[in-house]
Amino acid sequence: GENVEQHPSTLSVQEGDSAVIKCTYSDSASNYFPWYKQELGKRPQLIIDIRSNVGEKKDQRIAVTLNKTAKHFSLHITETQPEDSAVYFCAASEGNNDMRFGAGTRLTVKP
Amino acid sequence: DAGVIQSPRHEVTEMGQEVTLRCKPISGHNSLFWYRQTMMRGLELLIYFNNNVPIDDSGMPEDRFSAKMPNASFSTLKIQPSEPRDSAVYFCASSLQSGTVNIQYFGAGTRLSVL
Repeated sequence: GENVEQHPSTLSVQEGDSAVIKCTYSDSASNYFPWYKQELGKRPQLIIDIRSNVGEKKDQRIAVTLNKTAKHFSLHITETQPEDSAVYFCAASEGNNDMRFGAGTRLTVKP
Repeated sequence: DAGVIQSPRHEVTEMGQEVTLRCKPISGHNSLFWYRQTMMRGLELLIYFNNNVPIDDSGMPEDRFSAKMPNASFSTLKIQPSEPRDSAVYFCASSLQSGTVNIQYFGAGTRLSVL
């Protein structure tokens, strides 16, 4: 089955700096890669996703890139703000609902 | 729509007792997922249903865990008997699978403490 690895496990940046979180996946058949944000005590919520027919997607300050050959994808957050502090999860699926999540990255944005 | 609704929000029970967690998916969604979240193991997929049918329960830790989806608007996750190591936050999520895209919407979770 699919195995998703996520790095780093913790990330601390200064407000205004960029943050990058990286994930690798094992199943070359995976074709859908969402990113979820989970604030403390809250539920995970989708922030951006990308399909395998696209190499990059951007939504305001967040962007995701996908390298299918290397089987890795990354989340980029620019101009970080304290409210970006949360745990971020990457995930991968073959579009068949069997979605596997990475272990999560705890991002802290220091004001 | 109120989103995915889970109950109870918190459950404290003693070892050996039966625990039942409940989930109401978003109306119209055809897939439902149960996850367990702990600090040690992260977010684990336990089981998921498509059109009320269990598709993959390989994530269910052992026979003490069972899940049902009797209709499109209700699912339960039962632990019998419960053990302290079952303490975790259990999330239910639902989605409307459309081609490749599988956006899952999570409920608020049930925080389970087994003493």
